[in-house]
Amino acid sequence: QKEVEQNSGPLSVPEGAIASLNCTYSDRGSQSFFWYRQYSGKSPELIMSIYSNGDKEDGRFTAQLNKASQYVSLLIRDSQPSDSATYLCAVIMNRDDKIIFGKGTRLHILP
Amino acid sequence: DTAVSQTPKYLVTQMGNDKSIKCEQNLGHDTMYWYKQDSKKFLKIMFSYNNKELIINETVPNRFSPKSPDKAHLNLHINSLELGDSAVYFCASSQGLAGPNRYFGPGTRLTVL
Repeated sequence: QKEVEQNSGPLSVPEGAIASLNCTYSDRGSQSFFWYRQYSGKSPELIMSIYSNGDKEDGRFTAQLNKASQYVSLLIRDSQPSDSATYLCAVIMNRDDKIIFGKGTRLHILP
Repeated sequence: DTAVSQTPKYLVTQMGNDKSIKCEQNLGHDTMYWYKQDSKKFLKIMFSYNNKELIINETVPNRFSPKSPDKAHLNLHINSLELGDSAVYFCASSQGLAGPNRYFGPGTRLTVL
């Protein structure tokens, strides 16, 4: 199993709908999880961090963490064309404190 | 005010040449990184420096040599460039090793011909 796995997409979602992005990780003891957004030709920017099981909401974004199942997800409500980007999941590995990025999921919001 | 800056933004060069990429952060962070993002968009850490000391050195050819003259700068020198070195290189900084690299530089697109 790869350390951090994401479906590469593209994931196409109609404008106004909910976009759901998923990520699984291999290191069961990991405690810190992040979602980055990367527009084409730009650098990644941190949009969400989550450390405890459950949901964390920030505006239209909700991060969900389930440590028992080793997955973390990002929900984007009321999707906008400006949300079209690649979303990178990142996990700080418990074994060595290194941050590992997934390959990212390309999200395309259809106007 | 630019938090993390890199120069140059684009670099096109021939195989076998030696080139350098510079990075500076004005955030007062103590940890800086170099990442490589290949054509498939996979972002992989190359090096990490904490207070000018090398902390992480992933499996990177020794043609790549980072240099940190002070906490605000982390430069990357590449010798004998190869076609496979073509990628976007991102510098990043954080406060502490466990910081989630929230500040990335704009990237340097390196093309080796």
